[in-house]
Amino acid sequence: DAKTTQPPSMDCAEGRAANLPCNHSTISGNEYVYWYRQIHSQGPQYIIHGLKNNETNEMASLIITEDRKSSTLILPHATLRDTAVYYCIVSTSSNDYKLSFGAGTTVTVRA
Amino acid sequence: ETGVTQTPRHLVMGMTNKKSLKCEQHLGHNAMYWYKQSAKKPLELMFVYNFKEQTENNSVPSRFSPECPNSSHLFLHLHTLQPEDSALYLCASSQEPSGEETQYFGPGTRLLVL
Repeated sequence: DAKTTQPPSMDCAEGRAANLPCNHSTISGNEYVYWYRQIHSQGPQYIIHGLKNNETNEMASLIITEDRKSSTLILPHATLRDTAVYYCIVSTSSNDYKLSFGAGTTVTVRA
Repeated sequence: ETGVTQTPRHLVMGMTNKKSLKCEQHLGHNAMYWYKQSAKKPLELMFVYNFKEQTENNSVPSRFSPECPNSSHLFLHLHTLQPEDSALYLCASSQEPSGEETQYFGPGTRLLVL
């Protein structure tokens, strides 16, 4: 599996956009980029995923660079409830179903 | 609410006890997973079931024994655990066991082994 690199932590002001970067320079052509988050002491929650195109849903936007070596998760208007650990994961569409959770980025949204 | 429930939410057990964790998914999925999350460590995949058949055992000690009686239910039977087994145990499900499928997680069972 391709590995990902994320900053260990970042702060964000409430109401502002939070831009979370992720590097995945060894990603291969059939690997998806997934984002999950884990609020303290809860199970991980799916946010969004994409292959090549940018994606948007009710929670966030995912911007993938043209060479697919990096991506950015955007939380458009961060709230205090968005404080969590955010995981960027690459996963193949084959039978490899393992989600390799790294350390993620601890995002703290401050009032 | 993700459609995946786990009971109990908290469990304290001695090293000689036998207990079971239960997971139920209400999503009509075919694949179910057990993960372990120890303090300050990433999630570790333990077991994967696809259509009730175990397809992955990630070198988990035999003191952890999974059971999947049907596609909606998954159990983790625990016996003679060690204090280092204290962790958050998470259940997840997906439509198929594929990297393309989103996994939906339950809230977890916080286990403390004394």
